[in-house]
Amino acid sequence: SQTIHQWPATLVQPVGSPLSLECTVEGTSNPNLYWYRQAAGRGLQLLFYSVGIGQISSEVPQNLSASRPQDRQFILSSKKLLLSDSGFYLCAWSLVGGEQFFGPGTRLTVL
Amino acid sequence: QQPVQSPQAVILREGEDAVINCSSSKALYSVHWYRQKHGEAPVFLMILLKGGEQKGHEKISASFNEKKQQSSLYLTASQLSYSGTYFCGTESTPGNNRLAFGKGNQVVVIP
Repeated sequence: SQTIHQWPATLVQPVGSPLSLECTVEGTSNPNLYWYRQAAGRGLQLLFYSVGIGQISSEVPQNLSASRPQDRQFILSSKKLLLSDSGFYLCAWSLVGGEQFFGPGTRLTVL
Repeated sequence: QQPVQSPQAVILREGEDAVINCSSSKALYSVHWYRQKHGEAPVFLMILLKGGEQKGHEKISASFNEKKQQSSLYLTASQLSYSGTYFCGTESTPGNNRLAFGKGNQVVVIP
């Protein structure tokens, strides 16, 4: 069966510090991968999606970047965090034409 | 384009029925429904493809009217476990799995 892992579960970082969130998927090959951000009480905002290794599409201009160094690994990064980067970050995977499965999420607080 | 979900919040007693809606200004290929409990990741409920398809999950069913570019989720004989925020994700281009999510419908089921 397929599983998706995200870490860390919670993170508190000072403004201006770097960020690296990791997501890995097990039990499937060539998944589409996604990074979403959810602000408190808000919907899901698609940040990045990837259809293959090294293929990243950005949905909104922002302070973040994503990379996919391996087929089932997706990394969200920032060089310098802003207060507005706080939120609940969700990684998800899907197969083409299928539903998306979400990871447990990382709650990021930037102080 | 983000779909519009209504009503924003619903409070109902156990055993009652409710309908929540998702509307888009763009032509839709599919609609995905997810439920999110507080502090947790969204969980997939069902996908509806264009063609007026109606599906079900437990006593939760949904319809998709592609001409009206809207989907409705029907909570029948609601249970306490139905509480949560329901998100619709809409896909306008078949195959790329890029979903635009609405802001959600908060559903509270009370005893």
